Amino acid sequence: EAQVTQNPRYLITVTGKKLTVTCSQNMNHEYMSWYRQDPGLGLRQIYYSMNVEVTDKGDVPEGYKVSRKEKRNFPLILESPSPNQTSLYFCASSSRQIYNSPLHFGNGTRLTVT
Amino acid sequence: KNQVEQSPQSLIILEGKNCTLQCNYTVSPFSNLRWYKQDTGRGPVSLTIMTFSENTKSNGRYTATLDADTKQSSLHITASQLSDSASYICVVSATSGTYKYIFGTGTRLKVLA
Repeated sequence: EAQVTQNPRYLITVTGKKLTVTCSQNMNHEYMSWYRQDPGLGLRQIYYSMNVEVTDKGDVPEGYKVSRKEKRNFPLILESPSPNQTSLYFCASSSRQIYNSPLHFGNGTRLTVT
Repeated sequence: KNQVEQSPQSLIILEGKNCTLQCNYTVSPFSNLRWYKQDTGRGPVSLTIMTFSENTKSNGRYTATLDADTKQSSLHITASQLSDSASYICVVSATSGTYKYIFGTGTRLKVLA
């Protein structure tokens, strides 16, 4: 089944403790991206990647890092999480080979930083 | 500033009724407009994608329209079902190739039996 898999689904951590949220897709998509969703603000892009070893900042990249060493994986790294990073995070992927390919989203990771 | 505004913020309708959700955008240059459905606790799922040359596109009971001149889109849901209860998100993409997506804040639809 074609899917984007995020782990974990829920994560509670403390300020300053480094964490990684994993994202993997099995559709051979070139494009992958991370979003955060906060009440009343809609989805905001954190980072995106057009292909392996190619990443770029989105609208709200501060406090986050990403890497794209393999085509299928695009982990999101919070080196020193802070309470304002408490949010619902989504990973998404799409094909660059298919015109107007839709974004395929994972089921989200709800992060709480205390 | 690129923006996507959706209305209403929330909507309650009875099962079997029709409804229309609105999306206005100021994104330029425009590439395409997408509607997504997001069930509670799940990731958004694509319903329709339209380019500037398309006026209407259907996906089952969902019909999206686009007026590129007035920069408005609507999503019409026919004969609503309880499973239509979800948030509906309008997403506008800027120039093709940049993969820049601007998301609306969504309309939360509740369908009652």
